Amino acid sequence: SQQGEEDPQALSIQEGENATMNCSYKTSINNLQWYRQNSGRGLVHLILIRSNEREKHSGRLRVTLDTSKKSSSLLITASRAADTASYFCATVHSGNTPLVFGKGTRLSVIA
Amino acid sequence: GAGVSQSPRYKVAKRGQDVALRCDPISGHVSLFWYQQALGQGPEFLTYFQNEAQLDKSGLPSDRFFAERPEGSVSTLKIQRTQQEDSAVYLCASSFPRDSGTGELFFGEGSRLTVL
Repeated sequence: SQQGEEDPQALSIQEGENATMNCSYKTSINNLQWYRQNSGRGLVHLILIRSNEREKHSGRLRVTLDTSKKSSSLLITASRAADTASYFCATVHSGNTPLVFGKGTRLSVIA
Repeated sequence: GAGVSQSPRYKVAKRGQDVALRCDPISGHVSLFWYQQALGQGPEFLTYFQNEAQLDKSGLPSDRFFAERPEGSVSTLKIQRTQQEDSAVYLCASSFPRDSGTGELFFGEGSRLTVL
């Protein structure tokens, strides 16, 4: 079963705009990770945020975590056509169980 | 190569055939994971190894699925008597830490299985 639920399922924006994707989960976590997957390729790790962190930045990526609401958001600023991909959140439950992925958000950035 | 390598990239099997999918993890990575990804879905956990020990196989959908990692490096996922619902991309991932994947996972490109 998949714990994380990304929202929206699909997002289409113009190049230069910001893209925001949300992830909700059901049970307590050790950490939450975001991955990117280009069509027909494997997943690439983007960023990890621990349960005691609230915000993290990496380049044009900003991730927030609200454990009280069991939700996270991924913001991509100044999007580029090359950002077109599917983005997945993945959670690690307390107790060190393996990563559980959501269904993903398909992002299309139009040049 | 430096990354996780999977083979074959594409496999077409007739229903009832057995298939074997190979994963060569990053050298030195202790943990190895198999995930199944259906079209338009996120990856679903199948099984996890720490070195040669299979510590969690709770995600294997049936006893037709079998995974091994006999020397703690290369792993093989075997599917016996394939069915159409087995059609999916099978992803392998590895990580260095000895825990069950609380850190970053490094994924291969996947093996796309189509069962006719």
